[in-house]
Amino acid sequence: GENVEQHPSTLSVQEGDSAVIKCTYSDSASNYFPWYKQELGKRPQLIIDIRSNVGEKKDQRIAVTLNKTAKHFSLHITETQPEDSAVYFCAASANTGGFKTIFGAGTRLFVKA
Amino acid sequence: DTAVSQTPKYLVTQMGNDKSIKCEQNLGHDTMYWYKQDSKKFLKIMFSYNNKELIINETVPNRFSPKSPDKAHLNLHINSLELGDSAVYFCASTRGGPNTGELFFGEGSRLTVL
Repeated sequence: GENVEQHPSTLSVQEGDSAVIKCTYSDSASNYFPWYKQELGKRPQLIIDIRSNVGEKKDQRIAVTLNKTAKHFSLHITETQPEDSAVYFCAASANTGGFKTIFGAGTRLFVKA
Repeated sequence: DTAVSQTPKYLVTQMGNDKSIKCEQNLGHDTMYWYKQDSKKFLKIMFSYNNKELIINETVPNRFSPKSPDKAHLNLHINSLELGDSAVYFCASTRGGPNTGELFFGEGSRLTVL
């Protein structure tokens, strides 16, 4: 069935360093790839997304890249700050077939001050 | 104004009981979902409803029965609760199908089965 794998499961960085989270997906019909941030006790919230006709997208300190051939996509956070500490989820969506958004297992990011 | 609201926020109950969680969205979205988040934070799709019609039922036990009286509401009823049902249940919605854009989540309902 459809699957999204996410690595690493935990990531610890020093404030100011960059953080990279990688995901792979299995469903070729997937054409929308959002990233969500979930702070402790809160709901997941969208931070950036990318569609399959785009290879890269940037929004201030965060960027996402997509390699559709390899079915890989990645989240890059530069100049990390303590408030970036949270669980980050990648996801893949398709309207055909499964009609659902499949989430990766999450990456717990710790930014040390 | 809360976009996706679900009640109750907390549920503590005994094994074998029946409970319901209600969800409403005021975004005018066509599609609503229930997700289960376990203690390891894994977010798993349970149900997808489009214009109050069931689209996806992800191998969820029959004890879980969703109901969508209209496209703005998606409720979840759980019969004969088991320990393994303890989790946070998130309701969510999208404008159209899953790839049309952001999933708007409710605040979550934390269910604890004793």
